This record gives sequence, C-alpha cells and structure tokens, in this order.
Amino acid sequence: SQQGEEDPQALSIQEGENATMNCSYKTSINNLQWYRQNSGRGLVHLILIRSNEREKHSGRLRVTLDTSKKSSSLLITASRAADTASYFCATDGKSGYSTLTFGKGTMLLVSP
Amino acid sequence: DGGITQSPKYLFRKEGQNVTLSCEQNLNHDAMYWYRQDPGQGLRLIYYSQIVNDFQKGDIAEGYSVSREKKESFPLTVTSAQKNPTAFYLCASRTPGLGHEQFFGPGTRLTVL
Repeated sequence: SQQGEEDPQALSIQEGENATMNCSYKTSINNLQWYRQNSGRGLVHLILIRSNEREKHSGRLRVTLDTSKKSSSLLITASRAADTASYFCATDGKSGYSTLTFGKGTMLLVSP
Repeated sequence: DGGITQSPKYLFRKEGQNVTLSCEQNLNHDAMYWYRQDPGQGLRLIYYSQIVNDFQKGDIAEGYSVSREKKESFPLTVTSAQKNPTAFYLCASRTPGLGHEQFFGPGTRLTVL
C-alpha cells in the first residue's frame, strides 16, 4: 500500500500563527494532493503537486514535495479560526487508472 | 449547480437489514468511488467504477455491493454481511486518469441500531 501518513495527528494553534502538516508515503507517485474536511462534511480539494514539482503555492497554502524522502508538507500561513478542519494527503500512483490513497489526516484547531 | 449529492444524510438501520445509499453526480465524470470513514481514521476505499457497467473492489469490499447502470449514479448497498457497518460513507467522482482531483459528496452517516 502506498498510503500516506500525516504528522502530527492533531495540531492546536492560535489565529495568526502558521500551521505545518507533514505527509509520508511508501511508493512512487504521479502526484500528491491535499484535501480539507470540515467536521461531518465531504472532502474539498486544496492543491495538487506533481512528482516533478518541488513547491507550489495557492493563496495562504504552500505545499512542498520531496520525492527522495517520499514526503510532503502543507503550510497554512496566517491561520484563521475558519481553517479549523482535518487535512488529508492523498497519493496518485503511476498507473493510468489508479485510485487515490488517503492518509489518516491531521486535525487542525485554530483558536481565536 | 454541478456537484455530487448523497442521500440520505443520516440513516438508521436495524441489524440484519440491507440498506442502499444513493450517490448522484452531474459533473459528467466517468469515475466514481465509495469510501468509508471511521472516527479518527482516514478514508478507506470500498468500491470504484471507471466506466458505466464496470466496477472494481477496493480495500474493504466485503459486505458491500454496488451497481453502475448510469454514468450519473453509483449506489452502494450495505448488506447484512457487513459486520460493523456504522460509519460515515463518502461518495466521490473524478475524470479517470492521473492528475485529476476528486469531488466529494456531503456524506451519509449510517448507524446500525
């Protein structure tokens, strides 16, 4: 299995601080994606980074990918209470019809 | 509006009963997926379908069944053979192939009484 594993399992910070979440995976990938899930809701796609990319930005999000270490990180800058959610990484394998494999997620709590 | 709908939002079932969860999408996606999520856990793949009239077992297919008669619809039946069916079920769809994001429905929370 190439399941991703997020670290930490839970993270509690104050508004305005930065939040960093890490993801490790086991096998070669085509791309890695990050999703967000509010409590009791479906997941929402945040950002996709391809295996030949090292860093990608989207608004307050910054994602890095290190394929040599099979790891990725998601940085949320200047966090807000509305960022409170669970964050999951998902890996897309090499075959054309692979399925995404999700990690167990990091639960982020941002306090006002 | 384009999207994925799941119904019902909450579902209660007595032990020994089969129950069917609905998933409909109007995104014109060929691929559809069913996941199970338990508290504090990630998503585990139950079944997926890359095209109409074809579907494949995921990691935890035992006790579940699906059909894919229409592109827009991918219902999941939780059978009485599923030993621990209480969970949050998520349906998703995407364009097949690499590099595409998945779009998720709002989920159905199933509770077995």
